[in-house]
Amino acid sequence: GENVEQHPSTLSVQEGDSAVIKCTYSDSASNYFPWYKQELGKRPQLIIDIRSNVGEKKDQRIAVTLNKTAKHFSLHITETQPEDSAVYFCAVLNNFNKFYFGSGTKLNVKP
Amino acid sequence: DAGVIQSPRHEVTEMGQEVTLRCKPISGHNSLFWYRQTMMRGLELLIYFNNNVPIDDSGMPEDRFSAKMPNASFSTLKIQPSEPRDSAVYFCASSLGQAGTGELFFGEGSRLTVL
Repeated sequence: GENVEQHPSTLSVQEGDSAVIKCTYSDSASNYFPWYKQELGKRPQLIIDIRSNVGEKKDQRIAVTLNKTAKHFSLHITETQPEDSAVYFCAVLNNFNKFYFGSGTKLNVKP
Repeated sequence: DAGVIQSPRHEVTEMGQEVTLRCKPISGHNSLFWYRQTMMRGLELLIYFNNNVPIDDSGMPEDRFSAKMPNASFSTLKIQPSEPRDSAVYFCASSLGQAGTGELFFGEGSRLTVL
């Protein structure tokens, strides 16, 4: 099966700084790579996703980059704000319609 | 659409009791997933269904766990008998299901505590 590794497990940044979270995967046939944000006590919610035919996607302060050759993808948050504090999960969808999640990154944005 | 609906939101039960968690996926979605979330193990996929048929149940911990999807709008996850180590948040999620196209929508989760 797929093996998704996510780093770092915790990340603390100053408000206004950038945050980068990285994930690697093992199955080269995987073709959809979403990122989820989970606030304390809430459900995971999609914040951005990228498909295998695209190298980068941006949505305001959030961007995702994908390197299919190296099998890794990253979440970039610029100009971080306290409300960005949450746990972020990467995920990979393989061609059997099965989602695999990373272990999560707890982001703390200090005001 | 109201989104994925789960019940109960919270359940406290004693070891040995049967627990049934329920899920209503988003109308029109043909894939349904059950996940378990704990601090130690993160988000674990227990089982998923496509068009009401169980496709992969390799994540189901043991025979005490069973899941059904009798129709496109309802699924249950049952634990019998429950044990303290089953305490976790159980999420149901649904998607449109075609490989490479489906955003996963989560319900609000069912927090289970087994004493």
